[in-house]
Amino acid sequence: GENVEQHPSTLSVQEGDSAVIKCTYSDSASNYFPWYKQELGKRPQLIIDIRSNVGEKKDQRIAVTLNKTAKHFSLHITETQPEDSAVYFCAEAGKIQGAQKLVFGQGTRLTINP
Amino acid sequence: KAGVTQTPRYLIKTRGQQVTLSCSPISGHRSVSWYQQTPGQGLQFLFEYFSETQRNKGNFPGRFSGRQFSNSRSEMNVSTLELGDSALYLCASSLGGSTGELFFGEGSRLTVL
Repeated sequence: GENVEQHPSTLSVQEGDSAVIKCTYSDSASNYFPWYKQELGKRPQLIIDIRSNVGEKKDQRIAVTLNKTAKHFSLHITETQPEDSAVYFCAEAGKIQGAQKLVFGQGTRLTINP
Repeated sequence: KAGVTQTPRYLIKTRGQQVTLSCSPISGHRSVSWYQQTPGQGLQFLFEYFSETQRNKGNFPGRFSGRQFSNSRSEMNVSTLELGDSALYLCASSLGGSTGELFFGEGSRLTVL
């Protein structure tokens, strides 16, 4: 069935260091992999996404990599800043169901220490 | 452009009651999906509506239902409330394509006593 494992559940890094969050999925038909950021008390917001025909995508300090053979994808944040502190969720969607039916990971609480 | 609006923001119910939550999507968005967020289970998909039709459904019991109106506004209903239904219910709207950003509302926080 559909399942996304996300690790670690909590992550604490020093300001300026990099942070990496990893997710694995089980559905080989999955073709869309977004990452959402949820600040405390706020709504989840899309920060970056990748489609199955691409191996890597970068947007300023944020990058996502996808390994379809191993069925895992990762979020990389470089030069972390205090405002990066939040809960990050990976997700996947299949071609048939579309992006509206996302299967989310359990979330990673990222804390940036000044 | 107004964002996704959910009402009510907070509500308290007792076991056995029923509740209706409302969601107004971003203008022009035809897809509305609902998610339940709890500390233990994370974000779980409930259902999605597109042009008044339920297009996708998650693994929730029949007590959870929804509908969408011709103006794309959506409601979800939970009947015979249980303590475990206490959660943040998030609505998200999108254009409805196979891939694309979901725009979430701030959620309706339901507490069942």
